[in-house]
Amino acid sequence: DAGVIQSPRHEVTEMGQEVTLRCKPISGHNSLFWYRQTMMRGLELLIYFNNNVPIDDSGMPEDRFSAKMPNASFSTLKIQPSEPRDSAVYFCASSPGAREFFGPGTRLTVL
Amino acid sequence: AQSVTQLDSQVPVFEEAPVELRCNYSSSVSVYLFWYVQYPNQGLQLLLKYLSGSTLVKGINGFEAEFNKSQTSFHLRKPSVHISDTAEYFCAVSGIAGNMLTFGGGTRLMVKP
Repeated sequence: DAGVIQSPRHEVTEMGQEVTLRCKPISGHNSLFWYRQTMMRGLELLIYFNNNVPIDDSGMPEDRFSAKMPNASFSTLKIQPSEPRDSAVYFCASSPGAREFFGPGTRLTVL
Repeated sequence: AQSVTQLDSQVPVFEEAPVELRCNYSSSVSVYLFWYVQYPNQGLQLLLKYLSGSTLVKGINGFEAEFNKSQTSFHLRKPSVHISDTAEYFCAVSGIAGNMLTFGGGTRLMVKP
């Protein structure tokens, strides 16, 4: 198995632009998680899905952030409009029910 | 590049006993170190982190960890565990230049009554 796949690996954009991060979970995993990593706050859970349904989005920082999971093999995290304080590494993880398997992350830089 | 090794995949321990979860890392650059906990059916939570300063770091829920640069270790300890500490614990490292996190394989702590 290729593991959790995230794209792009690096994204540089200008303030105000829309950013879409993508994730393909491991086949057969029924839970998917989006995290944001910064040096000061560590790893923060943004939202997680179970069987494609959003279960807990209390970690989504504000309305500029939205996440979708249209099917079991694909999820997106969108930021619109982006701001410099959104610069971070965004991780996607999937789980069959116990531990999580993390993707390599997307490094987002908003100028 | 960095790598993280958590030597024990499972650690069974009785309630109120002390526990140490081991973490060793390798890196060609200076690092930041983290411990995360994942309770059943929940996402990861940050327990504690070492960025600089005192090598003994105190975190939430009575956990602490000590950074030992010469031994490239960052072991997690708690003097007296509770049933509620049953969870998966992950050690992670990143380069201080802001590289992405590298996680260890995790250690399942099982606290028995």
